[in-house]
Amino acid sequence: DAKTTQPNSMESNEEEPVHLPCNHSTISGTDYIHWYRQLPSQGPEYVIHGLTSNVNNRMASLAIAEDRKSSTLILHRATLRDAAVYYCILRDVGTGANSKLTFGKGITLSVRP
Amino acid sequence: NAGVTQTPKFQVLKTGQSMTLQCAQDMNHNSMYWYRQDPGMGLRLIYYSASEGTTDKGEVPNGYNVSRLNKREFSLRLESAAPSQTSVYFCASSASTGTNEKLFFGSGTQLSVL
Repeated sequence: DAKTTQPNSMESNEEEPVHLPCNHSTISGTDYIHWYRQLPSQGPEYVIHGLTSNVNNRMASLAIAEDRKSSTLILHRATLRDAAVYYCILRDVGTGANSKLTFGKGITLSVRP
Repeated sequence: NAGVTQTPKFQVLKTGQSMTLQCAQDMNHNSMYWYRQDPGMGLRLIYYSASEGTTDKGEVPNGYNVSRLNKREFSLRLESAAPSQTSVYFCASSASTGTNEKLFFGSGTQLSVL
């Protein structure tokens, strides 16, 4: 399985941009890069995903390196509600049409007021 | 929109007791999953069901059984609970198991086995 590597934690100031890095040097050509986040005492929630091109949605932007061996989740203006654990995940294609999400420990983002 | 609903939210068991965690989704999704999360750790996949009528083992299936009752419901059973199964359990669903699909998670069941 292709793995991801993230820092354990990061800190940010409220209303400033946040760049959360993720390394995935063994990514295969068909792996999508997914980001989920988990707020305290809640289940994970989807943030964004992409394959090769940069992606934007209402929550965040995903910047993918040209060689796809790394990516960065960008929160344009951090709020206190963005304090969470962020997971960078490669969607693993299993046997046949089955695939699954494999979560690592993620990166804990703290936001200072 | 209810999304993914898990019951119960909290449960305390004694070693050797059995119980079933219930999960239901109202998004007409084909695929459903059970994960566990231990303190300070990421989520680990226990079992998943790619479609109604099929189930497959994930990373940590030992000590668990699952039933895909119908398209909406996917239950997780602990036949003889052990303290090592103390964890938070999350159910999730997705339209399919395709690599482009996103998962929707329930709010979790906190299980303690004494």
